[in-house]
Amino acid sequence: DAGVIQSPRHEVTEMGQEVTLRCKPISGHDYLFWYRQTMMRGLELLIYFNNNVPIDDSGMPEDRFSAKMPNASFSTLKIQPSEPRDSAVYFCASTLSSGGNSPLHFGNGTRLTVT
Amino acid sequence: AQSVSQHNHHVILSEAASLELGCNYSYGGTVNLFWYVQYPGQHLQLLLKYFSGDPLVKGIKGFEAEFIKSKFSFNLRKPSVQWSDTAEYFCAVNAYGSSNTGKLIFGQGTTLQVKP
Repeated sequence: DAGVIQSPRHEVTEMGQEVTLRCKPISGHDYLFWYRQTMMRGLELLIYFNNNVPIDDSGMPEDRFSAKMPNASFSTLKIQPSEPRDSAVYFCASTLSSGGNSPLHFGNGTRLTVT
Repeated sequence: AQSVSQHNHHVILSEAASLELGCNYSYGGTVNLFWYVQYPGQHLQLLLKYFSGDPLVKGIKGFEAEFIKSKFSFNLRKPSVQWSDTAEYFCAVNAYGSSNTGKLIFGQGTTLQVKP
């Protein structure tokens, strides 16, 4: 089991550029979550999917952020245009549906720096 | 809306000291409770979990947590900490059976620094 795989590990970009973060969940998991971690705000849930369908995107900061899950094995989080305040570590996590009993399995995260 | 509150933001202990990290949540229904640990430079890993049954749950590395329903609390404890326990600790709650089943809400995290 390779675990949740995120790419890239590090991303440095200039303000105004488009950024795409990628995630491959654990095979068979039907929930996928995107979290953002910053010193100021801790770990924030941005959006989560169930069976590739977005269930709750209330945590997405603004229209510059979008997420997709075209199939069960791939999801993207896109920021366009990026701003320095988007600098953070972005984690993807997946889990099996079982009434919320299953723990989350996290990827190693993408550290995004917007200059 | 569900929320999770961790009272201690930064804790500094010497090795062999006892640890207790507070966690309170707000949700009136059935909950599943978790503690996750994030070692420096790593991703979050599950430390322990509570779903039902014995409110005192034991996790990895000598950690335990007690669910007190009347206090909406799920405090993390360890009798004797080690330098290798230096990490950030997150309490998390899932509101079982709600429309957002599967949605895990995290507390702000507590940074534990253990001095050798």
